[in-house]
Amino acid sequence: QKEVEQNSGPLSVPEGAIASLNCTYSDRGSQSFFWYRQYSGKSPELIMFIYSNGDKEDGRFTAQLNKASQYVSLLIRDSQPSDSATYLCAVRTGTASKLTFGTGTRLQVTL
Amino acid sequence: DGGITQSPKYLFRKEGQNVTLSCEQNLNHDAMYWYRQDPGQGLRLIYYSQIVNDFQKGDIAEGYSVSREKKESFPLTVTSAQKNPTAFYLCASTLRRPTNEKLFFGSGTQLSVL
Repeated sequence: QKEVEQNSGPLSVPEGAIASLNCTYSDRGSQSFFWYRQYSGKSPELIMFIYSNGDKEDGRFTAQLNKASQYVSLLIRDSQPSDSATYLCAVRTGTASKLTFGTGTRLQVTL
Repeated sequence: DGGITQSPKYLFRKEGQNVTLSCEQNLNHDAMYWYRQDPGQGLRLIYYSQIVNDFQKGDIAEGYSVSREKKESFPLTVTSAQKNPTAFYLCASTLRRPTNEKLFFGSGTQLSVL
């Protein structure tokens, strides 16, 4: 079992819809969870982070964390074509200050 | 402006050759990281360093070497022992405080084999 798992997609949603991206992790001791957006050929950029169970909202983005079920999700409201990118889930596992990344979900927002 | 600078943007390696990728940051971050990304894949950790003159192997360190002689610099050498070096290499840094591990990335180096 991979430490951090994501569906590779592509996930296709129409413009204006809600995109829902999911991520599961295997280490129950994981403490910090991050969502990065990566455009093709570019480096990842941080869009959300969450440490506690529940929801965290920032503009059109909402991160949801459920430690009991070991999943973290990202909701993107009012999806725009500019949201089309690969979304990487990252989890801090263990005691070392390093992140483990999932393989990413490619999101396509269609007109 | 503060940030992380990677160079070169594109690099070509001949068989049997060692090449070095540069990474410099002026964010005063303690920890620095090197990741490798293959097409359609996530990021895999090669090496990381939490303090000057100290570094640890990541998940795929074989065929790579690093040094951390200065806080600002964390160069990565891809040695001839790395038989499949073609990939996108990303350098990152972060403050070392426990609840602040947000990674900041450089713009990456695309390494290809001639």
